Amino acid sequence: NFMLTQPHSVSESPGKTVTISCTGSSGSIASNYVQWYQQRPGSAPTTVIYEDNQRPSGVPDRFSGSIDSSSNSASLIISGLKTEDEADYYCQSYDSSNHQVFGGGTKLTVL
Amino acid sequence: EVQLVESGGGLIQPGGSLRLSCEVSGFTASRNYMSWVRQAPGKGLDWVSIIYSGGSTYYADSVRGRFTISRDDSKNTLYLQMKSLRAEDTAVYYCARDFDGSGNYPYYWGQGTLVTVSS
Repeated sequence: NFMLTQPHSVSESPGKTVTISCTGSSGSIASNYVQWYQQRPGSAPTTVIYEDNQRPSGVPDRFSGSIDSSSNSASLIISGLKTEDEADYYCQSYDSSNHQVFGGGTKLTVL
Repeated sequence: EVQLVESGGGLIQPGGSLRLSCEVSGFTASRNYMSWVRQAPGKGLDWVSIIYSGGSTYYADSVRGRFTISRDDSKNTLYLQMKSLRAEDTAVYYCARDFDGSGNYPYYWGQGTLVTVSS
């Protein structure tokens, strides 16, 4: 079964840049769109990146997405970290049946 | 404004049935791809089911044959009928809409409804 692997947790200081990776277990991650979701404690997820690198209106341009075919991975990059960015982040793509698959999530701590 | 409001969750015994509803406003559900995604307590997001704008339906292996996704276009409401519930179905269930009517991914999310399967 296709899986997306994310680091369990990352931490960085305010003002710095953090990269959260999402690695596909097989196939080419570049052949399907990747989305990224932010989930603060006790809240529903919200979309921060869709279709690899598109930002919904209202999401600051400090958030960006990229794809690296050589490592079969996607990345969420957050620059100029703020304490409000502290949350869980999930990537999402698709398996061979075109069913949605989510990564296990990464807890971002801004300290 | 796009809004999705889930309801119908609660405490149910193993083997029981429950129907979740997702009432939407600000758009027409039948023109979009509508998904159910769940999250067990303390765990990550887990795709459950999707209904395409054309009516095709798909399910995760873990729920196929037990859950049924549907919509009532006259009520602009999405449903998830759940049968033969198991303890491992305990989760917050979110309904979600795609971005523009052609995307197989959640973009707008509801606030979720909690289903607890326990005796």
